[in-house]
This record gives sequence, structure tokens and C-alpha cells, in this order.
Amino acid sequence: EVQMVESGGGLVQPGGSLRLSCVVSGFTFNNYWMSWVRQPPGKGLEWVANIKQDGGEKNYVGSVRGRFTISRDNAKNSLYLQMNNLRPEDTAVYYCAGSAVWGQGTLVTVSS
Amino acid sequence: DIQMTQSPSSLSASVGDRVTITCQASQDINIHLNWYQQKPGKAPKLLIYAAFSLQSGVPSRFSGSGSGTDFTFTINNLQPEDIATYYCQQYVNFITFGQGTRLEIK
Repeated sequence: EVQMVESGGGLVQPGGSLRLSCVVSGFTFNNYWMSWVRQPPGKGLEWVANIKQDGGEKNYVGSVRGRFTISRDNAKNSLYLQMNNLRPEDTAVYYCAGSAVWGQGTLVTVSS
Repeated sequence: DIQMTQSPSSLSASVGDRVTITCQASQDINIHLNWYQQKPGKAPKLLIYAAFSLQSGVPSRFSGSGSGTDFTFTINNLQPEDIATYYCQQYVNFITFGQGTRLEIK
């Protein structure tokens, strides 16, 4: 069974940092580009970042470029998102996704 | 950046109806388009990939068509379990989602 399990979400103050993790099983992780996608409460989906199979290419949506860093560890079947200088508008459920598979999401709340 | 314009934003239909959602890309994306279904509190589920290919395990009442800039998603014989929000997604140039279509049953 394919599983993607995100963790690391929580409540953080504006300007703070969080690191999200996504552990994948039952899926040939190193065969696929992987993405982070977020969804603010009650709103639509927004792609945040993606990373090539070998980690050699990374892309970001403009609103997070320079603040967020995507990375992966193929030996651990894991995807990460380091989020710095967080803003209230970053509040969302964050999903990891690869091919047709998505995790269940982890909620990040940025508030004082 | 490629913009995806999805319409309508919401619609109401009866069980057994045929439902159509459209998605227009701001530039040619060939067939690099997916359709997702999202139910409340759940992750999105891929239904259609590469504009018209049905994902494994998805009922055949779901279908997609189009290429270039104009795409259509259709549900034939609408069922109560199809209540959800549907999104298009392009992946030719980074990734962009449409705004979503909330589908309700009359």
C-alpha cells in the first residue's frame, strides 16, 4: 500500500520557522518529481515547490521563493520543506505529492 | 506564469445528470493537464491525467478532453458520491491549479 505521511505542522508566530517532513512507503520515491502543495482554510489548491528525482532541480512559487527550501533524502524516502520567515498568509494545510499519490496533509498556522 | 481559468465556480445538478466543467490555460499546454476531485477534509484524488487518460480505479463515468488551451471535464450519470470540489492542474511550466468547481447535488 502506498503511503505518504506528513509531519511537522503546528502553530508558529510570524517570522518563525518550521520544517515539514513527508515519509513515503510502498512507492518508488526516487523515480518521481515530488511537490509540496498547500491549501489555505476554505480556499483552493496552490502549488508551493517541487524537486527533481536527484534533487538537482528545484522550483518555487514566487510568494515563497527565498523563504522556503525543498529538499529530499532518497535513502530515507523522505521529502522536506524548510519554511523560514513565515507570514500569516502561509497558513494552510500542506500536502506532499508525487505522481498520483498525495499525503493526508499537515496544518501550519502562522499567528501571534 | 501560466494561469488556469476554471468555470463554473459552483454548480448544482441532479443524480443521473451530465456535468461539464471547463478549464482554459493562458497559453498552450498541449495535453499537460490533470483533473482532481477533493472531498471535504480529504486530500485531492487524481481522476484524469494527460487531459483524457483515466486514472486506474476511477469509474468510467468520469472523462476529460481537450488540448492546447481549452479543456473539458465531464461526469456522466452523476452519482451522490460525486459531491466534491474539482480542480484542473497544468504541469507543463511549473504547476498551476484552477480555482476549483464546487459540485452540489440538487
